[in-house]
Amino acid sequence: QVQLQQWGAGLLKPSETLSLTCAVYGGSFSDYYWNWIRQPPGKGLEWIGEINHSGSTNYNPSLKSRVTISIDTSKSQFSLKLSSVTAADTAVYYCARGGYCTGGVCYKDHWGQGTLVTVSS
Amino acid sequence: QSALTQPASVSGSPGQSITISCTGTSSDVGSYNLVSWYQQHPGKAPKLMIYDVSKRPSGVSNRFSGSKSGNTASLTISGLQAEDEADYYCCSYVGSSISYVFGTGTRVTVL
Repeated sequence: QVQLQQWGAGLLKPSETLSLTCAVYGGSFSDYYWNWIRQPPGKGLEWIGEINHSGSTNYNPSLKSRVTISIDTSKSQFSLKLSSVTAADTAVYYCARGGYCTGGVCYKDHWGQGTLVTVSS
Repeated sequence: QSALTQPASVSGSPGQSITISCTGTSSDVGSYNLVSWYQQHPGKAPKLMIYDVSKRPSGVSNRFSGSKSGNTASLTISGLQAEDEADYYCCSYVGSSISYVFGTGTRVTVL
């Protein structure tokens, strides 16, 4: 049974850097893409980016300049850093596994529990 | 890239069928058969319901089906049940930027 467990700071001030980590339990860590997705309160989902076991990343063009996703295969963990946060970055942040894949495009089949990150002065 | 367009809400009575549309552009939905659908109950993480336009992951009820025509994808829920009341999001691959774009979301209400 695959489980994703995530953690990180829940309250940030404007201009600080958001940092979240997601640990994967069960299943292979090498065979998938690992994603971050966020959801502002009461709003829709926004894909942030993904990384595979070799460290290859893809990012949402609108966030690319502020986002870094990294991976630690020895711990089966991957992390998100989002710099220079503002109130607009307040959201529930989810980690997710890209499990069902078609030609390198992977669908998010297992999700973490979500972490609410609030940006406020 | 702009969010895909979905109706804000769709409702139906138990046992009925409903269809949710997801309209994109020739750069995303129209270019690839790489559309997925997610179900999200309040306070919960999303759940993958459909991938590759019309395929169901293991364990997803066959009451859920997907299709696509041109720049619009659709999710149909047949035999509507109370447990289907949730928010639904479509998602498409965007090849030009190697990224993904979600839809605006649709609230399904079972009357």
